[in-house]
Amino acid sequence: DSGVTQTPKHLITATGQRVTLRCSPRSGDLSVYWYQQSLDQGLQFLIQYYNGEERAKGNILERFSAQQFPDLHSELNLSSLELGDSALYFCASSVHPTSGYEQYFGPGTRLTVT
Amino acid sequence: AQSVTQLGSHVSVSEGALVLLRCNYSSSVPPYLFWYVQYPNQGLQLLLKYTTGATLVKGINGFEAEFKKSETSFHLTKPSAHMSDAAEYFCAVSDNAGNMLTFGGGTRLMVKP
Repeated sequence: DSGVTQTPKHLITATGQRVTLRCSPRSGDLSVYWYQQSLDQGLQFLIQYYNGEERAKGNILERFSAQQFPDLHSELNLSSLELGDSALYFCASSVHPTSGYEQYFGPGTRLTVT
Repeated sequence: AQSVTQLGSHVSVSEGALVLLRCNYSSSVPPYLFWYVQYPNQGLQLLLKYTTGATLVKGINGFEAEFKKSETSFHLTKPSAHMSDAAEYFCAVSDNAGNMLTFGGGTRLMVKP
């Protein structure tokens, strides 16, 4: 158990809908990362937050947004969902936002868009 | 821009045999390198990492990796495979501008009895 929690575990929704994925980092970790894992794209970095502020952006679609709240939990919002958004979404956390610090991964949320 | 290439999407070894999973990276700055393992229906777990210092890095579960700058490689090895090592392994790199990880495509390790 990494100490990072993600809810829900599974999510099934229809095209065009909007969903919110939730992540609670390890106690004491200030930085949160979101990654998407799909069969065709592999594991891709989406976005990073540090202490409530957006720190870095990767291959995140405009239909996707995220935020980190004062209690440090983070939410990833996916809207106007398409079939291709079906994937495993991981949250990770680290104590510090800079390189070299280990990222602890949550168990993921499996999103299925039908 | 960084990139990671893992040679061999599937590797099969016999129990007790040497495990060698290959990883080559591309980075314009000195890289930080990681190996993660993913068991079915689970998140990623860090096996080991290289940041600075000794180029031979030891990790959990008997795995180790050697950073070779001249070959831009960070191959993962384990002297003797165990059935419980069957999983998917990911090599990743981050640069010193931030901590986002760039992952390779993954290698699925199968261990035959």
